Amino acid sequence: GESVGLHLPTLSVQEGDNSIINCAYSNSASDYFIWYKQESGKGPQFIIDIRSNMDKRQGQRVTVLLNKTVKHLSLQIAATQPGDSAVYFCAENPPGNQFYFGTGTSLTVIP
Amino acid sequence: NAGVTQTPKFQVLKTGQSMTLQCAQDMNHEYMSWYRQDPGMGLRLIHYSVGAGITDQGEVPNGYNVSRSTTEDFPLRLLSAAPSQTSVYFCASSPGGAGYIQYFGAGTRLSVL
Repeated sequence: GESVGLHLPTLSVQEGDNSIINCAYSNSASDYFIWYKQESGKGPQFIIDIRSNMDKRQGQRVTVLLNKTVKHLSLQIAATQPGDSAVYFCAENPPGNQFYFGTGTSLTVIP
Repeated sequence: NAGVTQTPKFQVLKTGQSMTLQCAQDMNHEYMSWYRQDPGMGLRLIHYSVGAGITDQGEVPNGYNVSRSTTEDFPLRLLSAAPSQTSVYFCASSPGGAGYIQYFGAGTRLSVL
């Protein structure tokens, strides 16, 4: 099966700083990637996605970078706020209808 | 804006009991899926469906059955619950399978004693 891993299980940042969450994926044929945010007791919430024909995509305060050479994905959150505290998951979609999720990184924002 | 609705939110079963976890979506999405989330293991795909009448297995299908008789509903059945099925279950839907954002429900927390 697929394995999607994250480099750090936990991350603490000061409010206002930028956060970077990393993800390694295993299938070089994966052509679609999604970042999700999960708050305690809730379901995963879509943040941003990127397709394999792109290297970077920006949203509101978030940027996803894709490095296909080393099979690495990162999520950058600008000016991190207390409301950003959550677990962040990356997911990869190889050819076909299945998605594979990483184990998650817990982000804590320190006021 | 209901989105994806899962019921119940919490359930406690005894080993060997059966139950059905309900999932309904009101977005007319063709693709629906079930995941389980265990500590330290992320979300793992149990079963998915690309449309009414069509289902397929994911990573961890053993012990679970699904059916898709309508576009809106995708129930997950545990025929004989086991302690290993203690987990949080999430249902998701999307307009298509590959290459589409999946939208998740709030989850069902299941404990099997």
